[in-house]
Amino acid sequence: GENVEQHPSTLSVQEGDSAVIKCTYSDSASNYFPWYKQELGKRPQLIIDIRSNVGEKKDQRIAVTLNKTAKHFSLHITETQPEDSAVYFCAATWGGGADGLTFGKGTHLIIQP
Amino acid sequence: GAVVSQHPSRVICKSGTSVKIECRSLDFQATTMFWYRQFPKKSLMLMATSNEGSKATYEQGVEKDKFLINHASLTLSTLTVTSAHPEDSSFYICSARAQRMGGEQYFGPGTRLTVT
Repeated sequence: GENVEQHPSTLSVQEGDSAVIKCTYSDSASNYFPWYKQELGKRPQLIIDIRSNVGEKKDQRIAVTLNKTAKHFSLHITETQPEDSAVYFCAATWGGGADGLTFGKGTHLIIQP
Repeated sequence: GAVVSQHPSRVICKSGTSVKIECRSLDFQATTMFWYRQFPKKSLMLMATSNEGSKATYEQGVEKDKFLINHASLTLSTLTVTSAHPEDSSFYICSARAQRMGGEQYFGPGTRLTVT
C-alpha cells in the first residue's frame, strides 16, 4: 500500500517568513495529493490540492509543488501569519480522490510573533 | 457548500456496550464516505471506505465485525463500534466525497469516543 513520509514534524518560523513542508510517497499510482490544516480538536480543512498532471498550484499565500519522478510534493506558505499556526497534513491517494487517503504524520507549524 | 456533519460530537460509554456515530453530507450527495481514526497528537488512519448501497471495504487490521458500517443513503453513513473496549477510545472522523466536485474529500467535525 501507499506510504507517506512528512518532514519536519515541527516547524517554527518568524511571522512574515516562509514555511516549507515536504512529503514523499511510495506508490507511483497515486495521482491526487491534498494538504489539510487541522487546529486542535477540530476537523481537517482542505487548504490546497494538486493532481499528478500538474507540477505546481498556487492560491494566494499557499502553493504546492509536485515532482512525480522523485515522488515528492511540498507545501509552501509565504508571509506567514499567527493564524497559520496549526498542524498540517499531507496525503496521497489514487483514482483522483476516489480512494481513501494515506496521511503523513503531520507538521506542527508554529508562527513566532 | 460541502458541509459534513457528525453526531454525536462526544460520547462516553462503558466497556462492552455499542456506540453508533452518524456522518451526514448536508448540501451534496456523497457517492463515497470514509471513516478515519485519529489518536491524540497522531495522524489520521483510514479505517474503511463506504459506498452507498454496498458493503464497506475495510483496511487491513480493522475488524469488520467490530466496526460496523452502513451507508444507507447518499447523505448518511453510520459507524457502530460494537463491544467497545478502552483501547477503542479515539477521535473518529468521517469524510465525504462527491464526484461532481472533483473528488475532494470534506471532513466532518469528528466524534470523541471515550470507553470507560
